[in-house]
Amino acid sequence: AQSVTQLGSHVSVSEGALVLLRCNYSSSVPPYLFWYVQYPNQGLQLLLKYTSAATLVKGINGFEAEFKKSETSFHLTKPSAHMSDAAEYFCAVNSGGSNYKLTFGKGTLLTVNP
Amino acid sequence: NAGVTQTPKFRVLKTGQSMTLLCAQDMNHEYMYWYRQDPGMGLRLIHYSVGEGTTAKGEVPDGYNVSRLKKQNFLLGLESAAPSQTSVYFCASRYTGRNTEAFFGQGTRLTVV
Repeated sequence: AQSVTQLGSHVSVSEGALVLLRCNYSSSVPPYLFWYVQYPNQGLQLLLKYTSAATLVKGINGFEAEFKKSETSFHLTKPSAHMSDAAEYFCAVNSGGSNYKLTFGKGTLLTVNP
Repeated sequence: NAGVTQTPKFRVLKTGQSMTLLCAQDMNHEYMYWYRQDPGMGLRLIHYSVGEGTTAKGEVPDGYNVSRLKKQNFLLGLESAAPSQTSVYFCASRYTGRNTEAFFGQGTRLTVV
């Protein structure tokens, strides 16, 4: 079975501060991991994905995530938050025996304060 | 590029009415999905399809039916709408393979009164 836990349903940071959104996964096989962003009243769009080529993955808009097998984590970071980063962020995992299944976390709402 | 298109974008239904949500993708993806998004619940999988003519149940299938008669289209039906089905519905599609990402539509906001 596969699952994803996002710690913190709401994270608030100041503009220019570090952004850290946490994601832990559970998987019986090596996982493929994804981060998506959802802006208000829009669909989800891919930020980045881990597919075992490199443990540090760089995505769009200055975001990056590091895969840590020992900690079963795939946390999302950005060195300096911008107002336009305010959105909801979802972590997802695909690690099941059948490759069709993509399981999402419950999401973390990021607020950026001026 | 159109990507994944959902129709309609908004709808208000009365309890007991029926409707069909249409999802169309132009990327020749094999896999297609219907999710619902509710506050604090994240995305929950309703039904999915791994190819034309095939469908399967997700984690919250009750009250919904689906069909995939053509590879590019995935229809979600509500036969008798209930207030508990008030939600935002998202369609997604992706290629085969565990490392492929899903592409999402813009969502359908459904209210059942």
